[in-house]
Amino acid sequence: AQKITQTQPGMFVQEKEAVTLDCTYDTSDPSYGLFWYKQPSSGEMIFLIYQGSYDQQNATEGRYSLNFQKARKSANLVISASQLGDSAMYFCAMRDPGYSSASKIIFGSGTRLSIRP
Amino acid sequence: KAGVTQTPRYLIKTRGQQVTLSCSPISGHRSVSWYQQTPGQGLQFLFEYFSETQRNKGNFPGRFSGRQFSNSRSEMNVSTLELGDSALYLCASSLARNLPQETQYFGPGTRLLVL
Repeated sequence: AQKITQTQPGMFVQEKEAVTLDCTYDTSDPSYGLFWYKQPSSGEMIFLIYQGSYDQQNATEGRYSLNFQKARKSANLVISASQLGDSAMYFCAMRDPGYSSASKIIFGSGTRLSIRP
Repeated sequence: KAGVTQTPRYLIKTRGQQVTLSCSPISGHRSVSWYQQTPGQGLQFLFEYFSETQRNKGNFPGRFSGRQFSNSRSEMNVSTLELGDSALYLCASSLARNLPQETQYFGPGTRLLVL
């Protein structure tokens, strides 16, 4: 069965520093998609970045980049120059390839990131 | 373009009651999925609707049901509420093109408290 593992329940980072949030996944399907979402205390899940299993390059979106190591089955999120507004829960997620519609997402347990001023 | 909207944002019910939550997807999105988020279980998939039909279902009891209307708006219903149903219920919509990179966009959620 597909599984997402986030081993860092919480992290504290100084403002303006870079931070890496870890994510490992397990799937036997060769085609899959990996996502990172941010959830502020308000509750809304905000899409940050996507990486496809066949993508040749690591995904980047502004200050967000994804360190994708396919052989190790890891997809770590890197946030450069962290800001106070980055304080939130971060979820790594994978589209469940077992569903034909490709609409179900499996989430990790999340990492609570706190940025210190 | 307006995002996913959910109503109500907050709800307090008592055990045994039933509740209906509403979700309006992003314009043009045909798929609506529902998730339950609790501190103990994390984010769990409830079900997905596409073209007014339930296409996928998670591992939840029959007390949890939903429907989708012709305009893609979706409702979720929970009958005979239990204390454990207290959670944040998130709705997500997508274009449903069945592509690997297809992203689900989430609404702000409905916080349900069962007393």
